[in-house]
Amino acid sequence: KAGVTQTPRYLIKTRGQQVTLSCSPISGHRSVSWYQQTPGQGLQFLFEYFSETQRNKGNFPGRFSGRQFSNSRSEMNVSTLELGDSALYLCASGRGDLGNTIYFGEGSWLTVV
Amino acid sequence: DQQVKQNSPSLSVQEGRISILNCDYTNSMFDYFLWYKKYPAEGPTFLISISSIKDKNEDGRFTVFLNKSAKHLSLHIVPSQPGDSAVYFCASYVNSGGSNYKLTFGKGTLLTVNP
Repeated sequence: KAGVTQTPRYLIKTRGQQVTLSCSPISGHRSVSWYQQTPGQGLQFLFEYFSETQRNKGNFPGRFSGRQFSNSRSEMNVSTLELGDSALYLCASGRGDLGNTIYFGEGSWLTVV
Repeated sequence: DQQVKQNSPSLSVQEGRISILNCDYTNSMFDYFLWYKKYPAEGPTFLISISSIKDKNEDGRFTVFLNKSAKHLSLHIVPSQPGDSAVYFCASYVNSGGSNYKLTFGKGTLLTVNP
């Protein structure tokens, strides 16, 4: 069974640009969560989508947005990029039940210059 | 919000010895905890979980202990191997309003196992 797939793996953007990251969950999983990892900050929760609806949202500015499609694939978008947005962005999928395990993709490394 | 705290940023042990990684939480909204391991430049990998109906869960060299009265859990790795060198995160479900929960992670502990 294929794991969680994230694209692109690496990208470099300029301040002020926008970026879209993609995530394909494990087959049968309806929940997709996004996390940001920066040095010393652990994994910061961005948002979670379940059945095409945003179910949870972390404490990030409105420049960070996402969506989920009917096939459970998800995208996240960051507009007006800032240097501080440089991070590893991780997508995780799960069944969506409370207490279930989520499984991560390899992540997308974003560098903003 | 439930806070998940890993107070030790790093831990160094000798190969073959026991590694003990600790995690504290501040309330009991939902007593289900998970441990993930992360190598540099890779996504976190699920290791082991435990629910409040148990105080111990074991999987091979990995054992997680839950002390509900102390709001403390620990991950034991015995024997430790150099390949276990990674960052370990504990995580818990936190109520985010109504019936919604989000999985919240600690800041991680970097384990180094020396040959």
